[in-house]
Amino acid sequence: GDSVTQTEGQVALSEEDFLTIHCNYSASGYPTLFWYVQYPGEGPQLLFRASRDKEKGSSRGFEATYDKGTTSFHLRKASVQESDSAVYYCALNTGANTGKLTFGHGTILRVHP
Amino acid sequence: DPKIIQKPKYLVAVTGSEKILICEQYLGHNAMYWYRQSAKKPLEFMFSYSYQKLMDNQTASSRFQPQSSKKNHLDLQITALKPDDSATYFCASSQQDSGNTLYFGEGSRLIVV
Repeated sequence: GDSVTQTEGQVALSEEDFLTIHCNYSASGYPTLFWYVQYPGEGPQLLFRASRDKEKGSSRGFEATYDKGTTSFHLRKASVQESDSAVYYCALNTGANTGKLTFGHGTILRVHP
Repeated sequence: DPKIIQKPKYLVAVTGSEKILICEQYLGHNAMYWYRQSAKKPLEFMFSYSYQKLMDNQTASSRFQPQSSKKNHLDLQITALKPDDSATYFCASSQQDSGNTLYFGEGSRLIVV
């Protein structure tokens, strides 16, 4: 079945550090890839998505590029802020209209001032 | 104001009892979903409904029954509760013919003792 593997556990950074959270996927067909962010006490919210090879998704300074060759969709941000502290989920959807997402385990980002 | 309302936010239930988790969405979407987030597991898809009809069911147990009384409601009835059912249950919605981006509620945290 479909699966998503992302950087495990927690990433601790200082403000203005560069962020990379790795995401690799395994799926039949041509999935749409997503990054979601979850703040404490809230549900996950979409950061951005990408549907085609080499397509770049971006939002709020975060970005990721769909790479079908390496089956990856790594999340990057050049300069993190304390307010970016949250849990980040990589996810995929192989059915265009099913709304059935397969999520990774989530990566906790803690940014220290 | 939250556009997807889940009630209750927290509940503690006794093993063997029955509970209903409420979800209402005010985004005008035509599809609704339930996801579960258990400790140390990724968010898992449970059900999807489109125009009040069940589209997909990935929950093996019949103890979990979604109920859609109105097109913007999708409640989740859980019977014969077990401690393993302890989790946060997220309701989500989307507009299937318009990108199908999922919007999540804040979740209902269930603890079964």
